[in-house]
Amino acid sequence: DAGITQSPRHKVTETGTPVTLRCHQTENHRYMYWYRQDPGHGLRLIHYSYGVKDTDKGEVSDGYSVSRSKTEDFLLTLESATSSQTSVYFCAISGDWGQPQHFGDGTRLSIL
Amino acid sequence: DQQVKQNSPSLSVQEGRISILNCDYTNSMFDYFLWYKKYPAEGPTFLISISSIKDKNEDGRFTVFLNKSAKHLSLHIVPSQPGDSAVYFCAFRSSGAGSYQLTFGKGTKLSVIP
Repeated sequence: DAGITQSPRHKVTETGTPVTLRCHQTENHRYMYWYRQDPGHGLRLIHYSYGVKDTDKGEVSDGYSVSRSKTEDFLLTLESATSSQTSVYFCAISGDWGQPQHFGDGTRLSIL
Repeated sequence: DQQVKQNSPSLSVQEGRISILNCDYTNSMFDYFLWYKKYPAEGPTFLISISSIKDKNEDGRFTVFLNKSAKHLSLHIVPSQPGDSAVYFCAFRSSGAGSYQLTFGKGTKLSVIP
């Protein structure tokens, strides 16, 4: 299995609070991605990174920011969480843009 | 505008029989096609892929078929086993702008009945 660790695995928080999710990889892969999975929507890309300090927006980036200061860590931040951001969040990595992405086990985030 | 349609939310198959999962797409820029399997409380796991220059790719019990003219992707599992029970997602990569991004179907829940 690809060495991907997401933390926390579960989180419950209140509307308006900041939340940061962490993705840590031990594969030294260049590309990292954040997705959210919601019923009826499959997986949708939030942000991705193609190198340290190099990030770009995905399909559903509003309300989210990311940072990548080291190859192994990719952080997803909800500056002011809203109930619509209740979801399961998955991190993925790939060594090359042409290679399949490998996923972590997800973070279940509930915003009350 | 849905670029990918995975029209069957669920499928039940007897153990030992063939499972066929389907996806339709509209974007002609898709050049790489993947299938992922997902168990509850786990992340999606890459299963098999095919590039646009092929129409078939096999890996053991799993075969992916691509019909470019019909814009149709399918996954065959033969023989189906109870451990194959999971949600299956098709995923597509574009050769154009946004090629880092995978576009996923909504998933089909496969239940293999012993």
